Amino acid sequence: NAGVTQTPKFQVLKTGQSMTLQCAQDMNHNSMYWYRQDPGMGLRLIYYSASEGTTDKGEVPNGYNVSRLNKREFSLRLESAAPSQTSVYFCASRVRGSENSPLHFGNGTRLTVT
Amino acid sequence: GQQVMQIPQYQHVQEGEDFTTYCNSSTTLSNIQWYKQRPGGHPVFLIQLVKSGEVKKQKRLTFQFGEAKKNSSLHITATQTTDVGTYFCAGLCHAGGTSYGKLTFGQGTILTVHP
Repeated sequence: NAGVTQTPKFQVLKTGQSMTLQCAQDMNHNSMYWYRQDPGMGLRLIYYSASEGTTDKGEVPNGYNVSRLNKREFSLRLESAAPSQTSVYFCASRVRGSENSPLHFGNGTRLTVT
Repeated sequence: GQQVMQIPQYQHVQEGEDFTTYCNSSTTLSNIQWYKQRPGGHPVFLIQLVKSGEVKKQKRLTFQFGEAKKNSSLHITATQTTDVGTYFCAGLCHAGGTSYGKLTFGQGTILTVHP
């Protein structure tokens, strides 16, 4: 089992460019999440999808959009990248968002915006 | 909103010394989870605590959940170089009347172990 797969692993963008981060899980999980990790800030939730067909804002949604394409896939889009979006992005999934289930993380995407 | 504070931010120890990281929440938690992230890696789930005053052990790791369910700690006895990484706590607080709870992560404690 691959678990949670993120692409790409690394990306460099110029300010104003757009891109989509892809995430897919093969564990039949209902809930999927996008986090960003910055030094000293822990993991901050950008958007989440409690179940297929629903998406909601997390703690830091500005500048991002998401699409829950199907149960497996949850993408994160930066429409106009800014240097403040330089970060490591993690996708995660878990069985059901309302229960005490652990998060399974992908390997991350390291994004630099110049 | 809910805040989860974790201290210390950094901890440097000699191999064989003990290590503790502490987590404090501004609100009562339903449960708390702990994750470990190796350098360059992704967070990996370690354990979950649910009951007030709960203590769980995994080999040299001891996890505690406070009586008021607002704080937690992770203690590592006799650290080894394999313990290097960042340790995160993540608290779950049910949002009002909805059944969906959001995990809020602490800032993490970066542990380095000198051989």
